[in-house]
Amino acid sequence: KQEVTQIPAALSVPEGENLVLNCSFTDSAIYNLQWFRQDPGKGLTSLLLIQSSQREQTSGRLNASLDKSSGRSTLYIAASQPGDSATYLCAVRAQGGSEKLVFGKGTKLTVNP
Amino acid sequence: KAGVTQTPRYLIKTRGQQVTLSCSPISGHRSVSWYQQTPGQGLQFLFEYFSETQRNKGNFPGRFSGRQFSNSRSEMNVSTLELGDSALYLCASSLKAAGLAEQFFGPGTRLTVL
Repeated sequence: KQEVTQIPAALSVPEGENLVLNCSFTDSAIYNLQWFRQDPGKGLTSLLLIQSSQREQTSGRLNASLDKSSGRSTLYIAASQPGDSATYLCAVRAQGGSEKLVFGKGTKLTVNP
Repeated sequence: KAGVTQTPRYLIKTRGQQVTLSCSPISGHRSVSWYQQTPGQGLQFLFEYFSETQRNKGNFPGRFSGRQFSNSRSEMNVSTLELGDSALYLCASSLKAAGLAEQFFGPGTRLTVL
């Protein structure tokens, strides 16, 4: 059974700091991994999608990496801003079975001005 | 291009009632998936529809059902509501069926069961 873990559960940093969010998964049989952002009471915003054959994806100040063999992904946020404050969720698309997205519990990020 | 839309945004029901939630995917997307989000369990997969057919189903009781129409719009129904059904219900659409496709989520419907 695929399980996704995100560490830390919460993170507070001063504005301007570079930071890394971690995601690990137990089964390497995945199609892809997706990072999302969720603001309080809102839906999920897709940030980056990494296919299983890829090593990383970049969008603006965000960079996500994937090491499928070790079951790990990181989301790097450069020069953090207060507007980056949100919960960041990692999800893997499992191969076989229901092919559902399996989510971690998220990392709640607070960027202090 | 308009994103995924969900209606209603908020619902309050009492135990034993039933509820229907609606989701309109991004134009051209044929796959719609539903997820339940609660503080304790996080995000859990309910089901996926593609071209009006249910492709996959999560581990939820039969009180949870859904359907997809020919225009790809989807509805989710929960019968005999229980207090534990209070949650944020999220709909996601993708261009193709599950697999390589990126999923895009709507704003969700907040269901409160009293």
